[in-house]
Amino acid sequence: AQSVTQPDIHITVSEGASLELRCNYSYGATPYLFWYVQSPGQGLQLLLKYFSGDTLVQGIKGFEAEFKRSQSSFNLRKPSVHWSDAAEYFCAVASGTYKYIFGTGTRLKVLA
Amino acid sequence: DVKVTQSSRYLVKRTGEKVFLECVQDMDHENMFWYRQDPGLGLRLIYFSYDVKMKEKGDIPEGYSVSREKKERFSLILESASTNQTSMYLCASSAGPGQTRGRAYEQYFGPGTRLTVT
Repeated sequence: AQSVTQPDIHITVSEGASLELRCNYSYGATPYLFWYVQSPGQGLQLLLKYFSGDTLVQGIKGFEAEFKRSQSSFNLRKPSVHWSDAAEYFCAVASGTYKYIFGTGTRLKVLA
Repeated sequence: DVKVTQSSRYLVKRTGEKVFLECVQDMDHENMFWYRQDPGLGLRLIYFSYDVKMKEKGDIPEGYSVSREKKERFSLILESASTNQTSMYLCASSAGPGQTRGRAYEQYFGPGTRLTVT
């Protein structure tokens, strides 16, 4: 069955520290992968996406993610976290033309 | 920029009421979606529509129906609201396969409606 796993429910980092959020997927074909961010009380905003080609993709707000087929992973990274990055982050895989499968999310807390 | 708007940010309804949640997108997208979001469960697809008057059930359609009479508008209907439908509801839209090349899978989300059923 197709699925997306975000193993960390909560992550706390200090401002200025590096960040890595994990995402593992189970999908038979070549996946289309996404990371979204949701600030409190808001909808989801697309951070970055992977369709094909270079396995290291750059997104908005200084985020990047690396697709590793051998590990079925698409981890999100940022070299230096800002207090404004505190939010919930969702990984998703496109299942067919229309549907996404979302992970359950990772809530990021940033310490001043 | 794509804009997806939802009719209400917060809504409080009583058990048994009929509830309408409206969503409008301004990018001529073919696909529209309704999700509900609950803590620890992520986003779950209720219904989606790939064209006017066309709809398909998602993962949790029970207790919900939808309507898409115009391309830009997608409505979620709770026929008889129950307390277990208290949740955050998110609408999204995306281009269809024949539309913007390479961007058919990107979903754009509205701000959400937090519905409380008492």
